[in-house]
Amino acid sequence: DGGITQSPKYLFRKEGQNVTLSCEQNLNHDAMYWYRQDPGQGLRLIYYSQIVNDFQKGDIAEGYSVSREKKESFPLTVTSAQKNPTAFYLCASSSLSGVAYNEQFFGPGTRLTVL
Amino acid sequence: AQSVTQLGSHVSVSEGALVLLRCNYSSSVPPYLFWYVQYPNQGLQLLLKYTTGATLVKGINGFEAEFKKSETSFHLTKPSAHMSDAAEYFCAAETGTASKLTFGTGTRLQVTL
Repeated sequence: DGGITQSPKYLFRKEGQNVTLSCEQNLNHDAMYWYRQDPGQGLRLIYYSQIVNDFQKGDIAEGYSVSREKKESFPLTVTSAQKNPTAFYLCASSSLSGVAYNEQFFGPGTRLTVL
Repeated sequence: AQSVTQLGSHVSVSEGALVLLRCNYSSSVPPYLFWYVQYPNQGLQLLLKYTTGATLVKGINGFEAEFKKSETSFHLTKPSAHMSDAAEYFCAAETGTASKLTFGTGTRLQVTL
């Protein structure tokens, strides 16, 4: 089955620790995205990537880092510089294929809690 | 910059009643518009999308939405609510840059007996 997987589903971290969230897709999509979801705030874009070895900051990139070494993988690292990292993190992908309105497909999310 | 406004963070309807979830966008260029649904602790699932052409768009689970350029609106409707429709609904807009989406803050739909 084609889709997007995120792991782990739940993640606990102590303050001051970096943590990496995994996102893998087998849809052969060009673009991948990371969003943060907080109650009452909708989804906010952290980083996105349109092609391997290239990525751009979204609206709330501070305290986060990403890499795109393979087309199917787009891991997100939440660093100790992120002041309020407890949130639900969603990964998405889309096929750019020359048209601008391809829908984004979402993974099941990772809930990160900082203790 | 594109922005999306969803009026009403919580909407409650009785089972069998009309569902109306409101979405307005701000853009000088009509964007591509989407409605997504999210069940608790899950990712988002596309309900429907408007790109070009017919302004009344039909989606999954009996939902539909109408793009009204003059009102900059894209409201989501369903004639008869079902208990399984209880979820959070997000309106989103894309203006053609790397398929980036701007999301509204979401509307939680409650369906009561």
